[in-house]
This record gives sequence, structure tokens and C-alpha cells, in this order.
Amino acid sequence: DSGVTQTPKHLITATGQRVTLRCSPRSGDLSVYWYQQSLDQGLQFLIQYYNGEERAKGNILERFSAQQFPDLHSELNLSSLELGDSALYFCASSVEPSGRPLFFGPGTRLTVL
Amino acid sequence: GDSVTQMEGPVTLSEEAFLTINCTYTATGYPSLFWYVQYPGEGLQLLLKATKADDKGSNKGFEATYRKETTSFHLEKGSVQVSDSAVYFCALNYGGSQGNLIFGKGTKLSVKP
Repeated sequence: DSGVTQTPKHLITATGQRVTLRCSPRSGDLSVYWYQQSLDQGLQFLIQYYNGEERAKGNILERFSAQQFPDLHSELNLSSLELGDSALYFCASSVEPSGRPLFFGPGTRLTVL
Repeated sequence: GDSVTQMEGPVTLSEEAFLTINCTYTATGYPSLFWYVQYPGEGLQLLLKATKADDKGSNKGFEATYRKETTSFHLEKGSVQVSDSAVYFCALNYGGSQGNLIFGKGTKLSVKP
């Protein structure tokens, strides 16, 4: 158990819908990262937050957004969902923004029908 | 841009066999290198890391040496066990203020008794 929690574990929804994935980092970790894992793209970095502020952006679509709250938990919002958004979404956390090392949560499996 | 290339799997070995998973990287600077492992149905766990050239990371019988001259970070284990069956990811990051990892596509290892 890494100490990073993610909810829900599974999510099934329809195209065009909007969902919110939630992540609680390890106690004391200030930095949160979101990754998408799909069969064709592998593990793709989406976005990083540090102590409430956006720190880095990766291959995140404009339909996706995220935020980190004052209690340090983070939410990833996915809207206008498409079939291709079906994937595992991982949250990871680290004490410092350097990401050395990252601790990953168990993931949320999103299925878009 | 920076990238990580891993040997394609799946790799199937018998118990107690020697394991090598090749990993090479392309980087503009001097990154840290990592191996992460993903067991079925779980998130990624840090297996080992190396922060500079010629460093050797080791953990649970696995080893990898940071080779700057060949831009490689191959993962090895002398005698694999069934419990080592998992997907292995090679990754790099630059640390600093942006700790996002760049991952290889992963190599699935199956160890048969």
C-alpha cells in the first residue's frame, strides 16, 4: 500500500458525459501527478500540482482539467468523454516537486461506452 | 524530445532463469533513471533508481547500472521467481521543480514454475 488513495476504483459512463476522479496523496506529500495508461499510448503524464499550484503540463487534452485543493487532495475532471478516453488513470504523489520518488495510487479504470 | 525505449514483451521465463530487460534512453540533459514494477491489478511501485552515471540501483535481487556511454539502464536478476511476474517500466526524470516521469512502454514478464 503506497498511501495514495484514488476513488472510484471503476467508472463506467457514456460518450459525451463528464466525470471526476479523486486522489488523496500520501500524508505529507505536497506534489500530485496524474497519468493516463492505455494500451496504445502506454503511460502518459497529464499534469502536476505542487501545494495547490499547477507545476507542469503534459499531454493533457483541453477537455480535461485538474486542481489541487488546500487539503492537498486533487481531482481530475474529464468532460465530453470519447471512447478513446477509456483508460486507467493513476495519481501519484511525492514530498517535493522533483518526483524522486513517486508513489502511485491503485488507479481508476474508466470505461466509456 | 526525451524518450525511453524498452524491449518489447512479453518475456516468458522458467523459475530460476536469468532475466534481462533492455532499456535505452534519449535525453537532452542528465536525468535520473528508474525502474517501476506493476503487479496485476495494482499501481506502479518503485523498484530501483540511479541518479548519475555509473550508479547501480538494486532492490529485491534486481539490479540496473546507469550507463551514460551507451545511454542504457538494463534491468537484470540472476534467478527469477513466479512472484516476479509483472509489468516492468523504465523511466527517467530530471527532478528539479518538475518531477514528471517519462516512461517506456513497459515489458510484461511471466515466470512459469
